[in-house]
Amino acid sequence: AQSVTQPDIHITVSEGASLELRCNYSYGATPYLFWYVQSPGQGLQLLLKYFSGDTLVQGIKGFEAEFKRSQSSFNLRKPSVHWSDAAEYFCAVVTLTDSWGKFQFGAGTQVVVTP
Amino acid sequence: DADVTQTPRNRITKTGKRIMLECSQTKGHDRMYWYRQDPGLGLRLIYYSFDVKDINKGEISDGYSVSRQAQAKFSLSLESAIPNQTALYFCATSKQGVSYNEQFFGPGTRLTVL
Repeated sequence: AQSVTQPDIHITVSEGASLELRCNYSYGATPYLFWYVQSPGQGLQLLLKYFSGDTLVQGIKGFEAEFKRSQSSFNLRKPSVHWSDAAEYFCAVVTLTDSWGKFQFGAGTQVVVTP
Repeated sequence: DADVTQTPRNRITKTGKRIMLECSQTKGHDRMYWYRQDPGLGLRLIYYSFDVKDINKGEISDGYSVSRQAQAKFSLSLESAIPNQTALYFCATSKQGVSYNEQFFGPGTRLTVL
């Protein structure tokens, strides 16, 4: 069965430090991968997505993610975090079920940014 | 104005009550979805609809029903609310077409069942 794992439930990072959020998936075919961010009181906003091609994907807000097929990973990175990056981050994979794309979300990683 | 709106944003109710959560969108998308979010579980799909006449159960539809009143409106009902339905509920939309089209989310409805 397809699955998405975000191993880190909670990460604390200092403002200005780098951030990496891990995402691993289990899926037999080529995956379509997404990262969403949920700020407090807000819905989910798309940060970036990977369908094919260049395995390093640039997104909004200075985020990037790298698809590594050999490791079944799609980790999200930001070189220097800002206080406004405090939020919950969700990795998602689209699985092709019954000819449509069902989004399967990871459990989320809560990011806390300290001064 | 927000493209996907949900009402109410917060609701506290009692066990056994009927509750309706509403979702409206101005994106012109055909596809609409209802998810619930629980801590540590991420988002799970309750129901989805590809057009007004096409409604399908998701992975956790028990205890819920939906109505697609128009292309732009998709309501979620809890016929008899129970405490374990306390959660954050999200409506989402996507464009018809390729299977991996991005989903656009509303701001969520926080529901508490006492």
